[in-house]
Amino acid sequence: AIQLTQSPSSLSASVGDRVTITCRTSQGIGSALAWYQQKPGKAPKFLIYDASSLESGVPSRFSGSASGTAFTLTISSLQPEDFATYYCQQFNGYPLMYTFGQGTKVEIK
Amino acid sequence: QVQLQESGPGLLKPSETLSLSCAVSGYSISSGYYWGWIRQPPGKGLEWIGSIYHSGSAYYNPSLKSRVTISVDRSKNQFSLRLRSVTAADTAIYYCARPSGKGGFDCWGQGTLVTVSS
Repeated sequence: AIQLTQSPSSLSASVGDRVTITCRTSQGIGSALAWYQQKPGKAPKFLIYDASSLESGVPSRFSGSASGTAFTLTISSLQPEDFATYYCQQFNGYPLMYTFGQGTKVEIK
Repeated sequence: QVQLQESGPGLLKPSETLSLSCAVSGYSISSGYYWGWIRQPPGKGLEWIGSIYHSGSAYYNPSLKSRVTISVDRSKNQFSLRLRSVTAADTAIYYCARPSGKGGFDCWGQGTLVTVSS
């Protein structure tokens, strides 16, 4: 089974900072990676698909990129509403399988 | 606007069977997609449990496959989860979700907490 490893597990940042979260997969998955944002007590919110495509309605300060088995979520200028936990998720079409990373908590510095 | 709503008992004893339903409104399950169940233990990460198509074709997480059954009721526009022989490790918030068609889930229920305790 493919393993996803996110780093860091948590980080402290200030409003306006550029934040980068990495998700590494144990084997190549092409671009079949998504990112979510989850706030306390809420369901996850779908942010990015196909490694770098922004879901409709998601602010452009969020972006994703990929280089081999390393995937990155970047928030270009952190806003107060961005403090949350972020998860990467890999998708396999057949057999159908989804795997999540362990999460990265972005906290206020 | 698509909405999903989980329902079912919130407290179970060890060895019992967890049964949850997900009612879908604003979209017909029969229109497509492999509808999914995902869970999240308190304070921990997300785990995909399995997904089902309106035809009844289902895929399960290998780690749970021996205990899980997901079914669909097209007449009620809902799908259901059964997890047998639960233990405390199955205590979690259980979410139902619709896949986006782009490799992720874009519409989620609010989640329901299921606690397993004697």
